[in-house]
Amino acid sequence: AQSVAQPEDQVNVAEGNPLTVKCTYSVSGNPYLFWYVQYPNRGLQFLLKYITGDNLVKGSYGFEAEFNKSQTSFHLKKPSALVSDSALYFCAVRDGGSNYQLIWGAGTKLIIKP
Amino acid sequence: DGGITQSPKYLFRKEGQNVTLSCEQNLNHDAMYWYRQDPGQGLRLIYYSQIVNDFQKGDIAEGYSVSREKKESFPLTVTSAQKNPTAFYLCASSPVPLGNQPQHFGDGTRLSIL
Repeated sequence: AQSVAQPEDQVNVAEGNPLTVKCTYSVSGNPYLFWYVQYPNRGLQFLLKYITGDNLVKGSYGFEAEFNKSQTSFHLKKPSALVSDSALYFCAVRDGGSNYQLIWGAGTKLIIKP
Repeated sequence: DGGITQSPKYLFRKEGQNVTLSCEQNLNHDAMYWYRQDPGQGLRLIYYSQIVNDFQKGDIAEGYSVSREKKESFPLTVTSAQKNPTAFYLCASSPVPLGNQPQHFGDGTRLSIL
């Protein structure tokens, strides 16, 4: 079965420290992977995607993600966290054989403490 | 600016009542989607539409209905058959085929029971 797992409900990081939000997936075929961010009572905003090519993908607001095919992971990273990065983060994957449906992780709440 | 507009921001439903959530986009996207978001869960797909006058059920379509009479508009009706409608509803759009393009989201409608 196709699935996405975000193993941590919440991640706490001190401002200025590096952060990692984890995502693992299981799909048939080549995956298309996405990260989105959601601020309270708002819609989701696209951060970055992996389709093919370089395993390290750079996105908005200084975020990047590393695709690891052998570990079926797509972890979101940032070298130095800001308090304003505090939000809910979602990983999503599309099976290369499906045009329209994304499979979503349950979300990880990121809290950056001053 | 192009984007997706959802209205109203907050909506209250009485017992036995149908309510309609509005979603309008000016991105010229062919595909539109409705998701339901509950705390601690990822997004669940209710309905999606690839083109005008065509739509398909998602994973949790029971108790919901949609129409797609115009490219710009994809309203969602929450019927009285939906016994647990309290949730945050998100509308999204994307070019067709989805391919490697991210979905764009509106700011959601929060539906509660009176």
